[in-house]
Amino acid sequence: GDSVTQMEGPVTLSEEAFLTINCTYTATGYPSLFWYVQYPGEGLQLLLKATKADDKGSNKGFEATYRKETTSFHLEKGSVQVSDSAVYFCALSPYSSASKIIFGSGTRLSIRP
Amino acid sequence: GAVVSQHPSWVICKSGTSVKIECRSLDFQATTMFWYRQFPKQSLMLMATSNEGSKATYEQGVEKDKFLINHASLTLSTLTVTSAHPEDSSFYICSAGPSAALRSGELFFGEGSRLTVL
Repeated sequence: GDSVTQMEGPVTLSEEAFLTINCTYTATGYPSLFWYVQYPGEGLQLLLKATKADDKGSNKGFEATYRKETTSFHLEKGSVQVSDSAVYFCALSPYSSASKIIFGSGTRLSIRP
Repeated sequence: GAVVSQHPSWVICKSGTSVKIECRSLDFQATTMFWYRQFPKQSLMLMATSNEGSKATYEQGVEKDKFLINHASLTLSTLTVTSAHPEDSSFYICSAGPSAALRSGELFFGEGSRLTVL
């Protein structure tokens, strides 16, 4: 079945460091791909998304490119801030709607000042 | 963005009792809501899709009689964990979205409800 695999955390970086969180997926057809973020004490919220191959989603300095050839959707940010500390979830939806979103296990990111 | 709120945020109960968790859409109408369960250090698992005015659709392996879902209005869905046991202890999260958001694949999540069964 469809699944999402993302790098295990926790990940700890210094402020202004470069961030990569790896995510690969297994799915039939052409899923939509998402990154959701959960800040401390808050609910999950959509960070960015891509709906077809080679699309690049971006938001708040974060980027991820839908790579069908490698079935990947890695999250990157050039210079992280303390406020980026959160848990990040890679996810896919087998359809264009959100009827069933399949999540990865989440990666906890901590940024040191 | 749309706001989804859950209550209670945490609850402790004795084994054998039932617990109800509410999920409300505060600024939009939700014909569909989703209930997830999250185990420590694991991904969110979709339990069921709650449909306003009709029966919920449960995922394979989820006990319908254990996890009762009621979606009686366009802004409220409830999850009742019946005859709770320690293995039901978990973090339960609901999500929903306005129709346009759902079509683009965007869900809005509640803060989650942590259930501990003693």
